Amino acid sequence: EADIYQTPRYLVIGTGKKITLECSQTMGHDKMYWYQQDPGMELHLIHYSYGVNSTEKGDLSSESTVSRIRTEHFPLTLESARPSHTSQYLCASRGHSTGEQYFGPGTRLTVT
Amino acid sequence: GQQVMQIPQYQHVQEGEDFTTYCNSSTTLSNIQWYKQRPGGHPVFLIQLVKSGEVKKQKRLTFQFGEAKKNSSLHITATQTTDVGTYFCALSGSARQLTFGSGTQLTVLP
Repeated sequence: EADIYQTPRYLVIGTGKKITLECSQTMGHDKMYWYQQDPGMELHLIHYSYGVNSTEKGDLSSESTVSRIRTEHFPLTLESARPSHTSQYLCASRGHSTGEQYFGPGTRLTVT
Repeated sequence: GQQVMQIPQYQHVQEGEDFTTYCNSSTTLSNIQWYKQRPGGHPVFLIQLVKSGEVKKQKRLTFQFGEAKKNSSLHITATQTTDVGTYFCALSGSARQLTFGSGTQLTVLP
């Protein structure tokens, strides 16, 4: 079982609040990713990182930002949450020699 | 970027019946991965296919990569209720990011 963690698991907040979704992995993986997934739908890449101090935007436009100050930590921040941000956010990391991605349990965000 | 079409979107089967989901691309793929996501869960890696015409088996699951490396399939023999979930194919990009297919939601009726 992969060691990748996300907190909180569930979050309900009001419009306009600033929030940070946490993601940590203990596998020493350089590459990490954030995906957004609506219920029953496909995953969309919103951010990724090659390693420390490296971040890139993904295919899906997002109003969120990320940082990568430490290898194991890849938080995602929404400066001002809106109802359109309601979704599940999945963090993942990629193994060194294999292509597989390990996913965290996800954060289900509801913005009221 | 590369895109992949995945069909069907939904599939309901009786327990014991077989199930197949397909992914098709208009371009040649370097590799393709398959993931399973249980209801309320997160995607879990199943397999990666790299070689043209490759066939891999995991118990009742059979994965195929087309000869032209433009399509792939996942076949489950004699489905069980534990097979319920959404099956995604995924393409690996230049930065090793994944582009996911739309997924096939499998329901197994007991």
